[in-house]
Amino acid sequence: AQSVTQLGSHVSVSEGALVLLRCNYSSSVPPYLFWYVQYPNQGLQLLLKYTSAATLVKGINGFEAEFKKSETSFHLTKPSAHMSDAAEYFCAVKGNTPLVFGKGTRLSVIA
Amino acid sequence: GAVVSQHPSWVICKSGTSVKIECRSLDFQATTMFWYRQFPKQSLMLMATSNEGSKATYEQGVEKDKFLINHASLTLSTLTVTSAHPEDSSFYICSARDRLGGVNTEAFFGQGTRLTVV
Repeated sequence: AQSVTQLGSHVSVSEGALVLLRCNYSSSVPPYLFWYVQYPNQGLQLLLKYTSAATLVKGINGFEAEFKKSETSFHLTKPSAHMSDAAEYFCAVKGNTPLVFGKGTRLSVIA
Repeated sequence: GAVVSQHPSWVICKSGTSVKIECRSLDFQATTMFWYRQFPKQSLMLMATSNEGSKATYEQGVEKDKFLINHASLTLSTLTVTSAHPEDSSFYICSARDRLGGVNTEAFFGQGTRLTVV
């Protein structure tokens, strides 16, 4: 079975500051891990994914995430937040089941 | 990335009527599509997995007679909410997995359908 825990339902950062969204996973098999972004009343857009290749994964819009097996983590980061980054972010894990999503983290960016 | 189109984007219907939502993969073939439900400020809850040419697999607690899923072709799956009630009001999102991408590739998501039952 797989599960995902996103720490912090709401994160607020200043424009230009570091963005760090936390995700911890549990999986009985080697996992595939994903980060998605959702804007209001829209579907999900894939930011990046880990599929057992490089542990540091670079995605779109300047985001990246590092897979740390020892910590069972897959935290999402961006060096400098932009106003357009304000959205809901979901971490998801896939093992031998369909995608399992975390509860999401709402990112607010303050000017 | 691949494009998944969901239609309609929003719909308002009267209590007791049925509503059909379409999910299309526009530039790839999808043997598997997924239907999710999302309540306000919550995560996505998988409702069912739709496989082309066979019956959908429903998650525990999802009424298959209320949420009818048809996946008649490699590019189209439909979700019909039958005898809708206000508690069925929600945001419904589909996703589709590229047939050529393998079981562990990411699924591509539609833009969602906001259903309001009055």
